[in-house]
Amino acid sequence: AQKVTQAQTEISVVEKEDVTLDCVYETRDTTYYLFWYKQPPSGELVFLIRRNSFDEQNEISGRYSWNFQKSTSSFNFTITASQVVDSAVYFCALRVQGGSEKLVFGKGTKLTVNP
Amino acid sequence: DTGVSQNPRHKITKRGQNVTFRCDPISEHNRLYWYRQTLGQGPEFLTYFQNEAQLEKSRLLSDRFSAERPKGSFSTLEIQRTEQGDSAMYLCASSLKGVHPSGFQGMADTQYFGPGTRLTVL
Repeated sequence: AQKVTQAQTEISVVEKEDVTLDCVYETRDTTYYLFWYKQPPSGELVFLIRRNSFDEQNEISGRYSWNFQKSTSSFNFTITASQVVDSAVYFCALRVQGGSEKLVFGKGTKLTVNP
Repeated sequence: DTGVSQNPRHKITKRGQNVTFRCDPISEHNRLYWYRQTLGQGPEFLTYFQNEAQLEKSRLLSDRFSAERPKGSFSTLEIQRTEQGDSAMYLCASSLKGVHPSGFQGMADTQYFGPGTRLTVL
């Protein structure tokens, strides 16, 4: 069975601070994908990034960066110089290869960026 | 491409009534998923279709729930005899399984979500 744990329920920062959202996953499969989605107050889940289990290269996209470490089963997400518009609930998700390829989500981390 | 759309966005109903939600996926996507999200939780998988075939259903999907995707395009999710515990956000997602007709793999298999239908059962 697969499981995703996001231990941080809520985080509050002041604008321009850096913030890291933690994600730990469990799976026995060797081929899998990890995702981050953003859910603003409007409710729609917005896709941010996908990584596969064979690619541990970290990725940077603007103010966003992701650190994937198979040794610790973690896929952490860092926002640099946070902005008020980053306020949302962020979900980490896992998908294994084959079958339905459904997403297994963590419970999410609510990020509030205060001006 | 237009994104995934869902209707209605909000539905308030009385316990015992039937409700139906619709999802229109991204046009070339052959897979369509339904998830349910309750307050403070991540989305949970309900069922999925590849083209018109419903290939997997979660144990969360009781016999009061039925989903269809008759022509492999839009999908409907019906809940019969609604209960207060059915109150949740119902999310639809679509993805492309396999190679895009253009040959570009791109972000195939990535699920893109609609805005959801928020159901409140009184």
